[in-house]
Amino acid sequence: ETGVTQSPTHLIKTRGQQVTLRCSSQSGHNTVSWYQQALGQGPQFIFQYYREEENGRGNFPPRFSGLQFPNYSSELNVNALELDDSALYLCASSQTGQGRETQYFGPGTRLLVL
Amino acid sequence: GENVEQHPSTLSVQEGDSAVIKCTYSDSASNYFPWYKQELGKRPQLIIDIRSNVGEKKDQRIAVTLNKTAKHFSLHITETQPEDSAVYFCAAPQRSNDYKLSFGAGTTVTVRA
Repeated sequence: ETGVTQSPTHLIKTRGQQVTLRCSSQSGHNTVSWYQQALGQGPQFIFQYYREEENGRGNFPPRFSGLQFPNYSSELNVNALELDDSALYLCASSQTGQGRETQYFGPGTRLLVL
Repeated sequence: GENVEQHPSTLSVQEGDSAVIKCTYSDSASNYFPWYKQELGKRPQLIIDIRSNVGEKKDQRIAVTLNKTAKHFSLHITETQPEDSAVYFCAAPQRSNDYKLSFGAGTTVTVRA
């Protein structure tokens, strides 16, 4: 396994609610990327955090936001949940710079919006 | 941004045969191409990656080839085993010198015993 952890493993919410997902990066890694994986599809890039700042964003609305903490762990927040937000949310840990940008995924949080 | 297309979407092979998955990308400046394997209900796991300064890389039964001119790269699995059954994803950077990834849609590989 990669050493990347995520919590919670599963979550059920209703439309309009807010959710916070958490990710702890692998030891020695300073970058966290978040992806949304809908059923039967490949992961879609949401955003990346490096040095506690957003470092690139995919095609997701502003109600998807995030944080990175000094220990490089990260949170993904989604406001005003919609049914289509139901998916597996994956974080990936990497080390920016020094040619070691390979991304290692956590086990994911499966979110169901009813 | 990068557009990654992956084929085929499903692949069934007899145990012991080879499996080949192909991906194309749009940004000619892309320089890093990882492959991930995802078993049912589990995280994507990196199985091999290649950088644009080499044309081929092998790791035991797995190999990846890169054709920069044609902008495609392929995963080759030889002597397939039942445990190779999974969904395989290719990926490429969204921009050159960037490691935010665009993924293909995935290939479901089934190895028949």
